[in-house]
Order: sequence, then structure tokens, then C-alpha cells
Amino acid sequence: DTGVSQDPRHKITKRGQNVTFRCDPISEHNRLYWYRQTLGQGPEFLTYFQNEAQLEKSRLLSDRFSAERPKGSFSTLEIQRTEQGDSAMYLCASSFGEGKGKNIQYFGAGTRLSVL
Amino acid sequence: KNQVEQSPQSLIILEGKNCTLQCNYTVSPFSNLRWYKQDTGRGPVSLTIMTFSENTKSNGRYTATLDADTKQSSLHITASQLSDSASYICVVSVDSSYKLIFGSGTRLLVRP
Repeated sequence: DTGVSQDPRHKITKRGQNVTFRCDPISEHNRLYWYRQTLGQGPEFLTYFQNEAQLEKSRLLSDRFSAERPKGSFSTLEIQRTEQGDSAMYLCASSFGEGKGKNIQYFGAGTRLSVL
Repeated sequence: KNQVEQSPQSLIILEGKNCTLQCNYTVSPFSNLRWYKQDTGRGPVSLTIMTFSENTKSNGRYTATLDADTKQSSLHITASQLSDSASYICVVSVDSSYKLIFGSGTRLLVRP
């Protein structure tokens, strides 16, 4: 257990439905990241928060995706109007800022999304 | 283009044997290189992290090497155990920032 919690672990939904995932980072970490991982591939960066500010979004993050970190603690990732291509593992990671712990990112166990 | 390539894609070895996984990268500017272990259905867990000046780093039965001149790294697993069965992902950090470039991983299966 790395200390990063994700909920739910698995989500099965029908195409067109909206889904929301939650990530609780390690409490001392001010950086939080979302990644998407498909079978047989490494994680792909989606977005990154420093405290409550969303500082970067990948072009993979279409307008159907939105992420928030309202109080600089937990974060949510919402996918609207899900498509079958959204089926993947969604990973959350957290870290200290630069200069501490070499920015080592600790990953949660992920949320596996299956869109039918 | 920043890229991390790993080989082999998959590997099967017998319990107790050693193995070596390879990672080549073209990432600039380079900050550090990490190896992560990812069990099926779980998130990646950090094994080692090496900066430009470090040539080798050990974590139990795992030993990572880094040749910054040739931009190659290896992960050597000694006396493999069934629990070593997992994907091993090579990750390079760009310019001490949060940006990580992930390889596709090597899927290792250790058989009894």
C-alpha cells in the first residue's frame, strides 16, 4: 500500500453514461497526477495539480474529461458521455514538490473502467 | 521526441534464475531514471531511482544500472521468486520536473 487511495477499484458503465473517480493522495504531498493506462502500455499523463491549481492538461484530456482538486487534497476525475475507447486503467499519483524526495511519484492501485 | 524503449516485451524464467531487463531512452534534458514494478491490476511501485551521476542502485534482489553516455539502463533480478512476476516499467524524468516518460514495460513471468 503506497498511501494513495483510489475509488472505485472497478467501474463498469454503459456507453454514454458519466463516471467519476476519486483519488486521495498522501496527505503531505502537494502534487497530484492523473494517468491513463491501457493494456500492455505504460501510463500516459493526463493532468497535474499543484495544490488546488491544475497546471497542465494533456491533449489526451478531451473536453469530455474534467478533473478537480477543490481543496488541494483529494481529486476527482469525471468522464462525461463515456465511449468504449475510454476503457482503461486510470491511475492517480502524488508527490512532494521539487527538491524533496526527487519528485518520486507514488501511485494508487488505479480504477479500471470498462465501457460496454 | 522523448522516448523510452524497453526490451524484451515479455520474458519467462524459472524460479531461482537471474534475468536482466533493458531500457534505452532518448530524453532530454535528462533528470533521473526510475524502475517501477507493477503487479497485475495494481499501480506501479518504485524500485530504484538514479540520477545522472549514479551508475548503479540496488534494492534487495533488484540492481539497476545506468550508462548516461549511451542512454541505457538495465534492471537485474537475482534469484527470482514467483512474486517477481509483474511488469517492470522504465521511467525517465525530464529536467527535474514532474514530467515522466514511461516505457511500455517488460512483462516477467516466473515459473516454478
